[in-house]
Amino acid sequence: GEEVAQTPKHLVRGEGQKAKLYCAPIKGHSYVFWYQQVLKNEFKFLISFQNENVFDETGMPKERFSAKCLPNSPCSLEIQATKLEDSAVYFCASGGHLNNEQFFGPGTRLTVL
Amino acid sequence: ELKVEQNPLFLSMQEGKNYTIYCNYSTTSDRLYWYRQDPGKSLESLFVLLSNGAVKQEGRLMASLDTKARLSTLHITAAVHDLSATYFCAVVLKTGTYKYIFGTGTRLKVLA
Repeated sequence: GEEVAQTPKHLVRGEGQKAKLYCAPIKGHSYVFWYQQVLKNEFKFLISFQNENVFDETGMPKERFSAKCLPNSPCSLEIQATKLEDSAVYFCASGGHLNNEQFFGPGTRLTVL
Repeated sequence: ELKVEQNPLFLSMQEGKNYTIYCNYSTTSDRLYWYRQDPGKSLESLFVLLSNGAVKQEGRLMASLDTKARLSTLHITAAVHDLSATYFCAVVLKTGTYKYIFGTGTRLKVLA
């Protein structure tokens, strides 16, 4: 598609439950980036992919967060055993080339109660 | 580690006034982006600044980049209420990862 698509728009989970977020990059874009925006507006980089390969995972909290980009499927970001501090908006962005502008999706708002 | 600071964090201004938002970053980068974010919405791309001395203008907004000073500015001319939003700069970290490092954001409120 012409835009980055993210689902769901909103997700509510109780503490300890699993959350799974999805991202479909712009058709033809090889790079996918995930960012977390917490309530104070601060953006934090989580992970990036080049096609189905992890490119940079230096921002990922390794214990509970995982992500995948599989061929012919939306990319996913999964949080096992969510915590209150995981409440945030998760943005996915895609880019055609590594040094090109990233285009952002509408985000998924995760609320952990 | 690359740090990106914006100031001011909050800006309340009257319609018709001019103001500048500053974005300072701590290490070398020659690619900087400005975004607008409305409450509950995604990031809207405003400007892409690719080289030292780059200046771009769109309507009442003008952005510039000085890579030697590690500084970008977003200048607002004759503000109108519709410009009320949060503005972010983002700098690309070029150490092989090309992730964006975002500034702290400037929340702009234009009063009628």
